[in-house]
Amino acid sequence: QKEVEQNSGPLSVPEGAIASLNCTYSDRGSQSFFWYRQYSGKSPELIMFIYSNGDKEDGRFTAQLNKASQYVSLLIRDSQPSDSATYLCAVDNFNKFYFGSGTKLNVKP
Amino acid sequence: DAGVIQSPRHEVTEMGQEVTLRCKPISGHDYLFWYRQTMMRGLELLIYFNNNVPIDDSGMPEDRFSAKMPNASFSTLKIQPSEPRDSAVYFCASSGPVGLYNSPLHFGNGTRLTVT
Repeated sequence: QKEVEQNSGPLSVPEGAIASLNCTYSDRGSQSFFWYRQYSGKSPELIMFIYSNGDKEDGRFTAQLNKASQYVSLLIRDSQPSDSATYLCAVDNFNKFYFGSGTKLNVKP
Repeated sequence: DAGVIQSPRHEVTEMGQEVTLRCKPISGHDYLFWYRQTMMRGLELLIYFNNNVPIDDSGMPEDRFSAKMPNASFSTLKIQPSEPRDSAVYFCASSGPVGLYNSPLHFGNGTRLTVT
């Protein structure tokens, strides 16, 4: 079993809609959770991090964490075509960061 | 803040040749990570250092791969001899001190390696 699982997509949403990206992880001891965005041919860039159960909002982005269910999600409100990218979920395990395979998001104008 | 700097950006080499990838982490970051990304396997952690000391190299695929960090501002990943299956994008990333929670990783622009 992989440490971090994501649906590879593609996830297609119309411009202005809410995009919901999901991630599950296997190690209950994980404490730190991150979402990265990666455009084709570019390096991953940090969008958000979350450490505590519940929601964390930053602009159009909301990260949600449920440690009991070992589940992390990212909501993107008012999706824009520029949000089209691959979104990577990352989870720490004793200072080792494990990444999911990423969900490709397409936002259609 | 110059960010994590990797060189070269692209490397094309023939099978059997030695390849050296270079990385300069963000100043003040005491963790350095080497990842490899392919379409099939995604982002794989190869090795990471803390305060210039290798902590976990269990992700290094074979003895052909080696990594060093002679000082806080420089690390190398070497492949000798290289093989076509080593073709991938290699990322270096660094992060700050670890407290109760881990600091986020900051990635360099990557080195795209092609072995023919």
